Amino acid sequence: ETGVTQSPTHLIKTRGQQVTLRCSSQSGHNTVSWYQQALGQGPQFIFQYYREEENGRGNFPPRFSGLQFPNYSSELNVNALELDDSALYLCASSPPIGVGTDTQYFGPGTRLTVL
Amino acid sequence: SQQGEEDPQALSIQEGENATMNCSYKTSINNLQWYRQNSGRGLVHLILIRSNEREKHSGRLRVTLDTSKKSSSLLITASRAADTASYFCATDNYGQNFVFGPGTRLSVLP
Repeated sequence: ETGVTQSPTHLIKTRGQQVTLRCSSQSGHNTVSWYQQALGQGPQFIFQYYREEENGRGNFPPRFSGLQFPNYSSELNVNALELDDSALYLCASSPPIGVGTDTQYFGPGTRLTVL
Repeated sequence: SQQGEEDPQALSIQEGENATMNCSYKTSINNLQWYRQNSGRGLVHLILIRSNEREKHSGRLRVTLDTSKKSSSLLITASRAADTASYFCATDNYGQNFVFGPGTRLSVLP
């Protein structure tokens, strides 16, 4: 167990809808990253938040947006859902630079199905 | 685009045998990490090797890194049925994000 939690575990939406996924980072971790993992593929980096600011973004359209809160928990929002958005969404937290190892600790993921 | 590419895509072995997975990457890295994923759930960190290290051990795991060939290998010795999972290498592009390969699916048969 990494101490990173995500909710909900599973979610079913229809095309065009909006979805919000949530992540609570491990205690003491101030950086949260989000990844999308399609079936049979490796995780793809969506974006990272550090101290409530976006700190890097992968090749994802603007309808993927996020937030980080003062307690370092985070949300991933996806608007205008498309069928290809069906995937496992993984959240990972990491400690401040210089504290511990350069490792990201992953939550169990949210399985999103878009019909 | 994915930087890491694992090889083979799938591997099936008997319990007690050793399993070797390889990873190749394209650009310079700060470190390389290996993760395990069971049945499409969260990723579990296995081992980290820094760019100035050549080999690292953790229990039944041995990781090597060859920065001149931009490749790494993960060896699992004396495999067990519980080792059945997907294994991913991830390269750290100096802190911003990890770049994962497509993974190797390992099946350990009893």
